[in-house]
Amino acid sequence: NAGVTQTPKFQVLKTGQSMTLQCAQDMNHEYMSWYRQDPGMGLRLIHYSVGAGITDQGEVPNGYNVSRSTTEDFPLRLLSAAPSQTSVYFCASSNLRRIRRTAVYGYTFGSGTRLTVV
Amino acid sequence: GENVEQHPSTLSVQEGDSAVIKCTYSDSASNYFPWYKQELGKRPQLIIDIRSNVGEKKDQRIAVTLNKTAKHFSLHITETQPEDSAVYFCAASMVDSGGGADGLTFGKGTHLIIQP
Repeated sequence: NAGVTQTPKFQVLKTGQSMTLQCAQDMNHEYMSWYRQDPGMGLRLIHYSVGAGITDQGEVPNGYNVSRSTTEDFPLRLLSAAPSQTSVYFCASSNLRRIRRTAVYGYTFGSGTRLTVV
Repeated sequence: GENVEQHPSTLSVQEGDSAVIKCTYSDSASNYFPWYKQELGKRPQLIIDIRSNVGEKKDQRIAVTLNKTAKHFSLHITETQPEDSAVYFCAASMVDSGGGADGLTFGKGTHLIIQP
């Protein structure tokens, strides 16, 4: 049981390049999400998904695409990287079904991807 | 959308003293309020959470209180220890009875420093 796995851990991109940040979880969690963390800004929601085939935008979705073809995977795509997208990206998942039976609704975060766009 | 304000941004306390971090939220529909601890270079980890049908929750040295009317909630850490030094984030979300949820909205974080 690996939890939430993010790859890569570090990435440097040139402006205009595209790439995909990978996120996979093996806990059968329905809910998956992507956050970016910038100094002094906390964690801001980019996109989230409540199940396979369903995605929705968060607070800062521009410049990013997501898809959820399986329960396990939730990749984040940068279409044309910009220096403003330099950040640490976290993927997080949670089991929505637990809400009905328990007060615990904790997210499990991945270890993060540090992205630099030059 | 939801807006979460967190204060203070930095808090320095003597080892053994108590620390209190406060958050306010804007959306009255929010009903789930977790707190996360993030050590330098590591991922955020859930330390305690509270649902809107509960006013207070304790877990050993940490506790969270919620005032729904005033739309604010607080984290209390007693008998602080050096390992409590970290950045703490509050968050808010709406979780519905059908199991749906929107994303967590986080505060900007509080850097807690425990002075020896």
